[in-house]
Parts: sequence; C-alpha cells; structure tokens
Amino acid sequence: GDSVTQMEGPVTLSEEAFLTINCTYTATGYPSLFWYVQYPGEGLQLLLKATKADDKGSNKGFEATYRKETTSFHLEKGSVQVSDSAVYFCALRDGGATNKLIFGTGTLLAVQP
Amino acid sequence: DAGVIQSPRHEVTEMGQEVTLRCKPISGHDYLFWYRQTMMRGLELLIYFNNNVPIDDSGMPEDRFSAKMPNASFSTLKIQPSEPRDSAVYFCASSSVMGRNTEAFFGQGTRLTVV
Repeated sequence: GDSVTQMEGPVTLSEEAFLTINCTYTATGYPSLFWYVQYPGEGLQLLLKATKADDKGSNKGFEATYRKETTSFHLEKGSVQVSDSAVYFCALRDGGATNKLIFGTGTLLAVQP
Repeated sequence: DAGVIQSPRHEVTEMGQEVTLRCKPISGHDYLFWYRQTMMRGLELLIYFNNNVPIDDSGMPEDRFSAKMPNASFSTLKIQPSEPRDSAVYFCASSSVMGRNTEAFFGQGTRLTVV
C-alpha cells in the first residue's frame, strides 16, 4: 500500500543553519504531498503542499518540490530559527477510492541559539 | 470557523474504565479521521469516515476500540476497557470532499493517560 518514509530524528541545528529533512513516498496512484508541523503541545498544522510533479510548495521560508522521478518531497529552509523547533511530518493523499491521508513517522527538529 | 474541536484535552483514567473521546469537525467537511500518536509508533490512522459512514477501520488496534459518527458535526472514539498501553495523544482531523488536493485540519488532540 501507499507509504511515506522520513529521515529519523532528532535533527539538531544551530540558528541560521541550512535545513533538509528527507521524505520519500510509495504510491500506486498520483498523490498530493504535504508537510505538516507540530509545535510542542499542539495539533498538526499544514505547512505546505504540492499537488503535481515539479510543483514547489512554500511557506514561512520552507520549501519542498514534488519530484516524481525520485518519488521525493524533501523539506528545506535556508536559515532556521529557534522558533522552527518542532516535529515535521511528511504526508500523502492518494485521492483514489480510499482518499486516505497517510503520514510519515515525523522528524524532530531542535534549533539551538 | 473555530476549527476542529476535541474534548477533553486531557484524560486520566484507571485501567478497565471506559473512555470516550469527542470530536466536532469543521462545518461542511465530509471526511473525519481519527489518529493516535505515540513515541514508539508515530502517527497512526485508526479510522476514517466519509459522510458519517466508516470507510476504513483497519487501523483500529482491537475490539476494545470503537468509533461512531451519528451526524455530520460529531464523532466519538471509545475505548472499553482501557489499558495502560492505550496511553497516547488522540487526534481528530477533518477535510472537505475535494479529494487529493485537500489538506486535513487537525484538532489540538486529547492526551489520554491510563494508569
């Protein structure tokens, strides 16, 4: 079945460092791809999304590009801040008969001043 | 809109007791999802509904878990009897009927502790 694989955390960076969190997916159909963020003690919030190949989603300085050839949707940010410390989830939605929203296991990002 | 509303935010109960978690989805959303989050297993989809009908409950861990959606504005997840290994954060999410391009909106979760 469909699945999402994320790099394991925690990822620890200094402020202003470059961030990459890897995400790859397996899907039988043609899914949409999402990144969600979960701040401590809160629910998940949509960070960005992409709905077709080569689309780039972006928000709050974060970017991710839908790469169909490598089945990837890596999250990047050029300069992280302490306030970016959170758990980041990659997800897909297949839009087929089931229309499920399937998440990766999440990656904890800790940014140090 | 107030977003997805879950209650209670925190629940502490004794092993063997019945626990009921509640969710009010965003008005007009036709899909409702229940997820469980633990350190060991991450975010697991338990069950989801479309137009109040359960579509896939393959993620429900065992018969002690049940979920209902009696109308478009209310859903419950019940655990009876509860066990310590059920301790987790349970999230409810909803989305509109627009399909693959549509994100889900999450509630703030219910932190369940079974002692």
